[in-house]
Amino acid sequence: RKEVEQDPGPFNVPEGATVAFNCTYSNSASQSFFWYRQDCRKEPKLLMSVYSSGNEDGRFTAQLNRASQYISLLIRDSKLSDSATYLCVVNPTGGSYIPTFGRGTSLIVHP
Amino acid sequence: DAGVIQSPRHEVTEMGQEVTLRCKPISGHDYLFWYRQTMMRGLELLIYFNNNVPIDDSGMPEDRFSAKMPNASFSTLKIQPSEPRDSAVYFCASSLSGLSYNEQFFGPGTRLTVL
Repeated sequence: RKEVEQDPGPFNVPEGATVAFNCTYSNSASQSFFWYRQDCRKEPKLLMSVYSSGNEDGRFTAQLNRASQYISLLIRDSKLSDSATYLCVVNPTGGSYIPTFGRGTSLIVHP
Repeated sequence: DAGVIQSPRHEVTEMGQEVTLRCKPISGHDYLFWYRQTMMRGLELLIYFNNNVPIDDSGMPEDRFSAKMPNASFSTLKIQPSEPRDSAVYFCASSLSGLSYNEQFFGPGTRLTVL
């Protein structure tokens, strides 16, 4: 099993739709989790951190489920500008600074 | 702040040639990472430095790859000799020490094509 797995998509949704991605991780000792966004031919940029209690930022909500070892990203009221690849990032152990990136999930929002 | 700076942005070279990629991290950041991204393998961590010292280079594919960080504001990734399978986008990223929750800031990347 890969350390961090994501459905590559693409998820093709209309404007205004709600869409959710999951990311599973294999190391139960993982301590920190993030979602990054990568636009086509650009560098990844931090979208949001994922806390145990969940995290909401406007239309974006991130959740952590430690029991089932996955994190999720929910996007409400999708905009055309949300079209991008969303990368899940997991730090395998609390003291080690070796982040593991998922392959990413591609989102296409159409008019 | 200028962000992480990488050069060159694009590099086209022939198999067997030496390639040197350069990175200037954000001032004050003490962690520096080199990644490689391809469609097949996604984003892979090659090596990272803390306070200019290489901490983990287990992701470096083979001896043809080497990385240095002579000071806090400059790092290089060298491929010698280059091969077509090295074609990829190479990203440099930096971050502050402390909690592992710290954000990584990526440079714009170097798109390498080896013919």
